[in-house]
Parts: sequence; structure tokens; C-alpha cells
Amino acid sequence: DARVTQTPRHKVTEMGQEVTMRCQPILGHNTVFWYRQTMMQGLELLAYFRNRAPLDDSGMPKDRFSAEMPDATLATLKIQPSEPRDSAVYFCASARASGVNEQFFGPGTRLTVL
Amino acid sequence: AQSVTQLDSQVPVFEEAPVELRCNYSSSVSVYLFWYVQYPNQGLQLLLKYLSGSTLVKGINGFEAEFNKSQTSFHLRKPSVHISDTAEYFCAVSFGNEKLTFGTGTRLTIIP
Repeated sequence: DARVTQTPRHKVTEMGQEVTMRCQPILGHNTVFWYRQTMMQGLELLAYFRNRAPLDDSGMPKDRFSAEMPDATLATLKIQPSEPRDSAVYFCASARASGVNEQFFGPGTRLTVL
Repeated sequence: AQSVTQLDSQVPVFEEAPVELRCNYSSSVSVYLFWYVQYPNQGLQLLLKYLSGSTLVKGINGFEAEFNKSQTSFHLRKPSVHISDTAEYFCAVSFGNEKLTFGTGTRLTIIP
């Protein structure tokens, strides 16, 4: 049963600390998306990659957020330094090949920054 | 401007009654349309999609949606809902590429 996995599922941290969220896309999927979900803004696309190369990170605050794909089985989203307004659920999704395909979502990382 | 609108933030429905969740979009290019469902504390799961062909598409769990190009709508319907359909439903649109723009979601509550 192929699934997108995300770790950690929950993270509570203090303002100013670094936060790293990890995602393992479905094997064979070469497009990976990072979303943020909040009550106020809904689901926002932060960044996405194809074949490990960033294609669009225009939705991401550049000063504190960074996204990478060190290899085909791992995508990371890092926040440094974290702020209370970063509290949200962060979802990773993966899709097969290019073009318009179904995105498969992970269970999310619920981040709380105190 | 390209946008997705889900006008109803909450929809309460009695069990076994029909339901329609509305989705409208604005676009100057061809679109691809999706409905996703999110159960509490879970990620999003695809219900159905329209890429081309028949404008009436059927998805999982008895849901269906109809693409209406003239009204720029893609409303989701189910003839008889169950308690297990309680969830948040998101309409999503691709404006010609692999990125999806999501609506603000509709919370469906089933009343026993």
C-alpha cells in the first residue's frame, strides 16, 4: 500500500528554534509538493519539485523557509528561525511524472510554535 | 484572475438526504478539476477528477460531480449521505499546469 509518509506528525517548539519536517514520497513519483494549511488562509502551496529540482517556491517566505530534496526518497522543509505565525499543518504530496496528475497527500505535520 | 470559490463554508445535512457542495472557478485558460476529502487529522484524499471527456464524473464513496463550462462550476453531489461522509471537502483547480489551487473548503456535517 503505497503512501506518502511525513515525520514528525506533531511538533511543538519555541519561537526562534529550527524546525525540520520530512517527507517520503511514493516510490516512482517524481513531483513533490509542500502545502501549509491554516484556518485563516486554507491550503497554500509553498513549493514544489520535479526530479529533485525546485520548480516553484514563490509561495514560501524566503527569509526563513527552505525546501530541499537531498534524494528521490526524501524531501525536507526547514524553518529557521520559527515564529508563532508559522503554526499550521504542513502537508507533503507527491505525483507521478509531469502534467496534471492526482496528488497523493501525506498525513501532515502539525507544528505549534510557542 | 484565476480563482476557486466554495461559497458554503459549512453544510449540515440529515442522514440519507441528498447533498450538493458547490464549487465555482474563474479562468481564462482550460482547467482541470478535482474534489478532495479530508477526514479529521488526516491528509487529503482524491474523490474524483475531471480532465476531459464526459462532463459527469463519478468518484469514490458514491460521489459524483458535473463540469459545467458555461457556468464555470464543478459541483459535488451525493444522492444519500451517511454519517461516515462527515468531513471537509475541497475543490481544486489546475489552470493548465501541475499546480493545484484549492478552495477554502466546505465542512459537511451529517445529522443523524
